[in-house]
Amino acid sequence: NAGVMQNPRHLVRRRGQEARLRCSPMKGHSHVYWYRQLPEEGLKFMVYLQKENIIDESGMPKERFSAEFPKEGPSILRIQQVVRGDSAAYFCASSPVGQGASSSGANVLTFGAGSRLTVL
Amino acid sequence: GENVEQHPSTLSVQEGDSAVIKCTYSDSASNYFPWYKQELGKRPQLIIDIRSNVGEKKDQRIAVTLNKTAKHFSLHITETQPEDSAVYFCAARFVGAQKLVFGQGTRLTINP
Repeated sequence: NAGVMQNPRHLVRRRGQEARLRCSPMKGHSHVYWYRQLPEEGLKFMVYLQKENIIDESGMPKERFSAEFPKEGPSILRIQQVVRGDSAAYFCASSPVGQGASSSGANVLTFGAGSRLTVL
Repeated sequence: GENVEQHPSTLSVQEGDSAVIKCTYSDSASNYFPWYKQELGKRPQLIIDIRSNVGEKKDQRIAVTLNKTAKHFSLHITETQPEDSAVYFCAARFVGAQKLVFGQGTRLTINP
């Protein structure tokens, strides 16, 4: 099992460009979470998706940010018209069931290695 | 609201001593509390977790305690070693919101 795969690992964009970050969850995991980590700060929840559905996007800015998890292929976090404040590490995590499920052990979150976005 | 407070933000201990990190959470319905370790430039990795039906869990030098009444939980690392140096994050699962909310992190430094 290759674990949670994220790419690119590092991405440099100029202000106004678009950034696309990809996440392939662990095999058998259908629940994907995106977190943002600013330098020297904690992990801030952005969005929770299941296949073809956005379950909770309460942590995602209303403008410029969007996320999807299509039936086929990886989950994608898209940031349009990037600004310097978007520079951060973006971590994807997956679990076999949602965090609302009470089954013990089945909803442990496994993180990917992160995508580090730098906006010049 | 959904909130997890973590203290201290930085902690420095001598090698061989114990380290304790504390977290409080806002939602009494929370039922799962993991701890993640993040080394510089790496992914957060789960080191131990506890569910609300137990008060304490131990795994070698690492233990976690949970006080549901007070809504706080703690990470205890005994006989600390240099490789324990990292940032540690606590988290609580907010069931109604179906997500993990993380504390702000504690930078632990083990001094040789």
